[in-house]
Amino acid sequence: DAGVTQSPTHLIKTRGQHVTLRCSPISGHKSVSWYQQVLGQGPQFIFQYYEKEERGRGNFPDRFSARQFPNYSSELNVNALLLGDSALYLCASSLVAGPNQPQHFGDGTRLSIL
Amino acid sequence: DQQVKQNSPSLSVQEGRISILNCDYTNSMFDYFLWYKKYPAEGPTFLISISSIKDKNEDGRFTVFLNKSAKHLSLHIVPSQPGDSAVYFCAATSTGNQFYFGTGTSLTVIP
Repeated sequence: DAGVTQSPTHLIKTRGQHVTLRCSPISGHKSVSWYQQVLGQGPQFIFQYYEKEERGRGNFPDRFSARQFPNYSSELNVNALLLGDSALYLCASSLVAGPNQPQHFGDGTRLSIL
Repeated sequence: DQQVKQNSPSLSVQEGRISILNCDYTNSMFDYFLWYKKYPAEGPTFLISISSIKDKNEDGRFTVFLNKSAKHLSLHIVPSQPGDSAVYFCAATSTGNQFYFGTGTSLTVIP
């Protein structure tokens, strides 16, 4: 079975642009979460979606938004890109959103802002 | 505010010996804890987890210990193998919605 897949793997943008990152969860998983990981740090939670509804939001500005589709795939959108948005963006899926559910990660999208 | 902390950025261990990775947390509401392993250019891979109702969980060479009173968990790898060389992250959650990660410990197993 395929794991969590993310596209694209790498992306280069300039300040002020907009970006859309995509994620397909493991088959059968209904919950998708997004994380930002900067060099030397652990992943920082951005959003969680379950059954197409937002279930959690981390401490990120409104320039960050996401959505989940009926097939449980998800998009992360970032507007008005800043240099500080350069990071590895990770998507994770779990069967459901709730206690005692490990999250399984994709390999991420490396976003570079010039 | 870092709610999950891994105070050792790196650890070197001889092959065949025990590796012990440590993690501390501050939020007493956390009730589910996980360890992930990460190789370069890959996403974190789930290793093992423990619920707060337990104090130990074992899976093959990997054992996680939880000390709730000290707000401390550790991952033991026995015996350590060169393929275990990676960055290890601990994570915690109270709701299953938002997971908090430590900053990682880079483990090097020396052949």
